[in-house]
Amino acid sequence: QKEVEQNSGPLSVPEGAIASLNCTYSDRGSQSFFWYRQYSGKSPELIMSIYSNGDKEDGRFTAQLNKASQYVSLLIRDSQPSDSATYLCAVKKAAGNKLTFGGGTRVLVKP
Amino acid sequence: GAVVSQHPSWVICKSGTSVKIECRSLDFQATTMFWYRQFPKQSLMLMATSNEGSKATYEQGVEKDKFLINHASLTLSTLTVTSAHPEDSSFYICSASGTGGLYGYTFGSGTRLTVV
Repeated sequence: QKEVEQNSGPLSVPEGAIASLNCTYSDRGSQSFFWYRQYSGKSPELIMSIYSNGDKEDGRFTAQLNKASQYVSLLIRDSQPSDSATYLCAVKKAAGNKLTFGGGTRVLVKP
Repeated sequence: GAVVSQHPSWVICKSGTSVKIECRSLDFQATTMFWYRQFPKQSLMLMATSNEGSKATYEQGVEKDKFLINHASLTLSTLTVTSAHPEDSSFYICSASGTGGLYGYTFGSGTRLTVV
């Protein structure tokens, strides 16, 4: 089992719709969770971080964390073609300070 | 916001030569820097973690004598790919974090290395 798992996609979403991305992790003691967006040929850019159970909203993005079920999700509302990218879930374990990344979910927003 | 500068953006070198990549935190003190490599259509692979003033900790399978990491100051870390070969061609990305995870994990813009 991979430490951080994501569906590789592609997730095809019509413009204006909601894109829902999921991520599961294996280390129950993980503390910090991050969503990054990566455009082709570019480095990742941080979208959101979440540390507590529940929802966290930032503009069109909402991160949801459920530590009991060991999953974190990202919702993108009113999806735009510019949201087409690979979304990386990253988890910081209880021990150490490095991030473990999932394989990423490719999102395609079609006009 | 936290800014990490990485240079060069791209580099082409001949097989057998060495290449140095710089990663600088511009507006915060980066107590920890991370170096990743990414092959096309794959996720990030952590190569090593470096703390200022200490030797880098390399991930399993990463040759420390080939990928030399120096983190001599709180704002600068370098990765030197020694005796580069075509299979070292990849996208190298650094990430920096402040004390206690302050400033999160900010990525540099990446360096595209091509070894010919």
